Amino acid sequence: GESVGLHLPTLSVQEGDNSIINCAYSNSASDYFIWYKQESGKGPQFIIDIRSNMDKRQGQRVTVLLNKTVKHLSLQIAATQPGDSAVYFCAENGEGGGNKLTFGTGTQLKVEL
Amino acid sequence: DSGVTQTPKHLITATGQRVTLRCSPRSGDLSVYWYQQSLDQGLQFLIQYYNGEERAKGNILERFSAQQFPDLHSELNLSSLELGDSALYFCASSPRGYNEQFFGPGTRLTVL
Repeated sequence: GESVGLHLPTLSVQEGDNSIINCAYSNSASDYFIWYKQESGKGPQFIIDIRSNMDKRQGQRVTVLLNKTVKHLSLQIAATQPGDSAVYFCAENGEGGGNKLTFGTGTQLKVEL
Repeated sequence: DSGVTQTPKHLITATGQRVTLRCSPRSGDLSVYWYQQSLDQGLQFLIQYYNGEERAKGNILERFSAQQFPDLHSELNLSSLELGDSALYFCASSPRGYNEQFFGPGTRLTVL
């Protein structure tokens, strides 16, 4: 069935370093991808999204890269801060453009001081 | 704060019981989505409503049902509760024509 998986369940980085969180997706029909950040006890918070007609999109301190050839998505966080510590989920819309999101299993980002 | 509100924040009940979770979308958003987050299943899409009509269905059990009212708030009804239904239930909303979904703070359901 459809699946969105993350390679690394836990990522530890030093404060100030750049973080890269990876995600593999399996549904080639997906045309919309989104990254969410979830802090303990809170709902997922939108970070950045990208459509399949793009391969890169930048936000404030974050960049999402999309490689459709290998069905790979990554989230880059520049100058990682303690407040970035959270679980990060990638999600895809799948099924050729519907709004239903299929989420990955999540990566725990830990920022060490 | 996403603008999506959910009540109650916590709910503790017994097996076999029925509960109702409530969600108010962001002002102006027509779509409401329900997701279940459990430790062993991650975030799973349950159901979507758009302007009062069911739009998409995911892995929603027959014991669960939802509806969206004319004022666009939505309710998720869970009946004949089992221990395995214990989870966080999130509601999200999105504007018309956009994929981006804004999540509420969730309702933590504990079935004892």
